[in-house]
Amino acid sequence: AQSVTQPDIHITVSEGASLELRCNYSYGATPYLFWYVQSPGQGLQLLLKYFSGDTLVQGIKGFEAEFKRSQSSFNLRKPSVHWSDAAEYFCAVGAGGTSYGKLTFGQGTILTVHP
Amino acid sequence: NAGVTQTPKFQVLKTGQSMTLQCAQDMNHNSMYWYRQDPGMGLRLIYYSASEGTTDKGEVPNGYNVSRLNKREFSLRLESAAPSQTSVYFCASIGGGPTDTQYFGPGTRLTVL
Repeated sequence: AQSVTQPDIHITVSEGASLELRCNYSYGATPYLFWYVQSPGQGLQLLLKYFSGDTLVQGIKGFEAEFKRSQSSFNLRKPSVHWSDAAEYFCAVGAGGTSYGKLTFGQGTILTVHP
Repeated sequence: NAGVTQTPKFQVLKTGQSMTLQCAQDMNHNSMYWYRQDPGMGLRLIYYSASEGTTDKGEVPNGYNVSRLNKREFSLRLESAAPSQTSVYFCASIGGGPTDTQYFGPGTRLTVL
């Protein structure tokens, strides 16, 4: 069965600092990987996704993520954080075949941004 | 184009009461999903419908039933609500293939007393 671990429950950074959110997954084949962001009281918005090809994926809002098969990781990065990035971030893995939409989510990482 | 819509936004139930959460999408998507979100546990899949006329259990289906009414609508029913079902419920949909984006509704916050 697939699984996702986000080791950091809560991260605090200063505005303008760089950010890296960690995500480790467990899946037998090549995974479909996603990062979603959730602002308080809102639904989830897709930041970026990886299916195949280039292991460095660019997303919206200046985010990027790197797929490292050898480390079973898909970490999210941003070079300079803005106060509006404060939210909860979820990493997810999707199965292949006809089950592609069945996502398994990590526990989430809450990002706090100090001015 | 409203995307994925859910009703109601908030609901308070007493233990043993029943209710149905409604979900609709206007993107002509084949597949629809119900997730629940609990603090520290991320989102967990309750039920899904890969196509109109089919439904299947997800990770946490106990205490729930679903109906795929047509291609647009996918409802989630709690027959006898329990405090353990206090959660935020999200509906989602995705189009024809794995490279498509899964879109989420705004959620229903349910409290069972």
